[in-house]
Amino acid sequence: AQTVTQSQPEMSVQEAETVTLSCTYDTSESDYYLFWYKQPPSRQMILVIRQEAYKQQNATENRFSVNFQKAAKSFSLKISDSQLGDAAMYFCAYRSAGFPGGGADGLTFGKGTHLIIQP
Amino acid sequence: DAGITQSPRYKITETGRQVTLMCHQTWSHSYMFWYRQDLGHGLRLIYYSAAADITDKGEVPDGYVVSRSKTENFPLTLESATRSQTSVYFCASSEGSHSNQPQHFGDGTRLSIL
Repeated sequence: AQTVTQSQPEMSVQEAETVTLSCTYDTSESDYYLFWYKQPPSRQMILVIRQEAYKQQNATENRFSVNFQKAAKSFSLKISDSQLGDAAMYFCAYRSAGFPGGGADGLTFGKGTHLIIQP
Repeated sequence: DAGITQSPRYKITETGRQVTLMCHQTWSHSYMFWYRQDLGHGLRLIYYSAAADITDKGEVPDGYVVSRSKTENFPLTLESATRSQTSVYFCASSEGSHSNQPQHFGDGTRLSIL
């Protein structure tokens, strides 16, 4: 079974600064997908960014980018020019591509990192 | 509007009661999922469904029952609720199996069992 670890329960950053949230995962699969979800106090789960394991290029979405290190099984999220609206819980998640072992579909989540933005 | 809707948003019930959480999606996504969110655990998969009448267990299925007679609905039933099932429950849907397509989540149901 896959596991996802977020080692930072809480992070704090000054507004307009850059912050990096860490995520590592454990899997024996070679093909999979990785996601970062944001959960603000409203409880919604909002997709921030996704990465296919077969792609070497790191995904980028506006101020959000990832550093995907497949060999190290690391998938960190960098938020540039932090804004007050970025304050939320951030979850790293893994989804199997189904090969070679198949297995349950669905996302495996880390425990989350609470991001605080200081004005 | 298209989307995924969960009801109720809040529910309080007693130990031993049966309770059903509803989930409805309008995208015609084939895949639907139920997760529970607890402090210190993130979200954990309870059950998922690949299509109508096809369901399978996730990581924490004990004490839960699901059904999917129609593509758009995926109710989750606690047949005899226990206090350990107090949690926030999320329903999600996506296209395709084991894919990079994101899962779209409902707003969650906060369930308290007294």
